Amino acid sequence: VKLLQSGPGLVRPSQTLSLTCDISGDGVASITAAWNWIRQSPSRGLEWLGRTSYRSGWQNDYGVSVKGRITITPDSSKNQISLQLNSVTPEDTAVYYCARGSYSGNWAYYYGFDVWGQGTTVTVSS
Amino acid sequence: ELVLTQSPGTLSLSPGETATLSCRASDSVSERYLTWYQHKPGQAPRLLIYGASSRAPGIPDRFSGSGSGTDFTLTISRLEPEDFAVYYCQHYAGSPTWTFGPGTKVEI
Repeated sequence: VKLLQSGPGLVRPSQTLSLTCDISGDGVASITAAWNWIRQSPSRGLEWLGRTSYRSGWQNDYGVSVKGRITITPDSSKNQISLQLNSVTPEDTAVYYCARGSYSGNWAYYYGFDVWGQGTTVTVSS
Repeated sequence: ELVLTQSPGTLSLSPGETATLSCRASDSVSERYLTWYQHKPGQAPRLLIYGASSRAPGIPDRFSGSGSGTDFTLTISRLEPEDFAVYYCQHYAGSPTWTFGPGTKVEI
């Protein structure tokens, strides 16, 4: 399984940060996976942003710190997920990662974020 | 709100020594969701341990995890040069949301 991230490295303040994560070797609608976005910055460390998963329908969950500004969208036709973060400020400057959360078939067991994208350095600056 | 605290912040050791890293949760948590990652500069984090004590595929047996309740430990025996990195613990924090500890840097 591989995750390949793409998107701009520079975003202007108040604009929207947009990243995509192409999935190969697994399906975005896999019932044993959740597809997450995480970021890392010197000031905030590793911060979970949100996830999308398919269990009898699509379900999205978002972190409190970015709720209201974040949208994660799955695209089954392209087998990818996307991240949109609105109204960015310099505080959103970070390395952004997508990662697969792996589960057993009934989600009774959790096997960690076992596959990660390569990371995208995003700078918010005018 | 679940908070994970890691100690020490930095661990200075030599190759061949044993590293003992602590992760403490602000409330009692399930071992099922306690996970450890290794992170090196310029690379993506790497899954080491899930379920508090199960090694991820391909992880050498010098890495071991233990603990329950609020106290968890990652032990790295016989440190190799490639083991010098930052180590994070992670747990499900409900809502649902995930939280990471601040990390422990293992340096030479």
